[in-house]
Amino acid sequence: GAGVSQSPSNKVTEKGKDVELRCDPISGHTALYWYRQSLGQGLEFLIYFQGNSAPDKSGLPSDRFSAERTGGSVSTLTIQRTQQEDSAVYLCASSPILGGNTGELFFGEGSRLTVL
Amino acid sequence: QQQVKQSPQSLIVQKGGISIINCAYENTAFDYFPWYQQFPGKGPALLIAIRPDVSEKKEGRFTISFNKSAKQFSLHIMDSQPGDSATYFCAALQGGTYKYIFGTGTRLKVLA
Repeated sequence: GAGVSQSPSNKVTEKGKDVELRCDPISGHTALYWYRQSLGQGLEFLIYFQGNSAPDKSGLPSDRFSAERTGGSVSTLTIQRTQQEDSAVYLCASSPILGGNTGELFFGEGSRLTVL
Repeated sequence: QQQVKQSPQSLIVQKGGISIINCAYENTAFDYFPWYQQFPGKGPALLIAIRPDVSEKKEGRFTISFNKSAKQFSLHIMDSQPGDSATYFCAALQGGTYKYIFGTGTRLKVLA
């Protein structure tokens, strides 16, 4: 079956522009995560969606960042007024919920964002 | 602060050698410790995981050693191969939660 799909794979933008990054999770996975990977910084949690529950936005670094998940499937991460420090690889992951517990994370290949 | 500290940042090993990556944590409520492997241009993928009720788990050439009292766990790659060259992340999860806490990653290079 298909894995987690992310688009675009690469995005170069100018400082101050808005960008949208898309994630299509594995079918049937109710949990969806966004992580940010910067050089030497590991995987930084951004936001989590689970079913119809309110998302956990505690990792979003500023109010320029927002995300939504439509119909419990596709998610879009939006960064407004991009800054150079937003340059990173944005990874999406989905996970099944088994017995009420979070299962293995299945990651997409990421969207590499470069802000000039 | 829930953190997982990972070391070393980078590691170079000769083919056939043993690669060892270490992680330490503070939160005693963590009860699931996976390791993820990431190749360049790809997303991380689950490699092996352990729960604290065992001290060691082995899958092929990969072994996790877990020291609950020291709050440390490590990944050992036996007979390291050039194909093992990747970035490795340790992680921790608290039971009943969903927020994985990741280490900063170790870039492993295995020389042919």
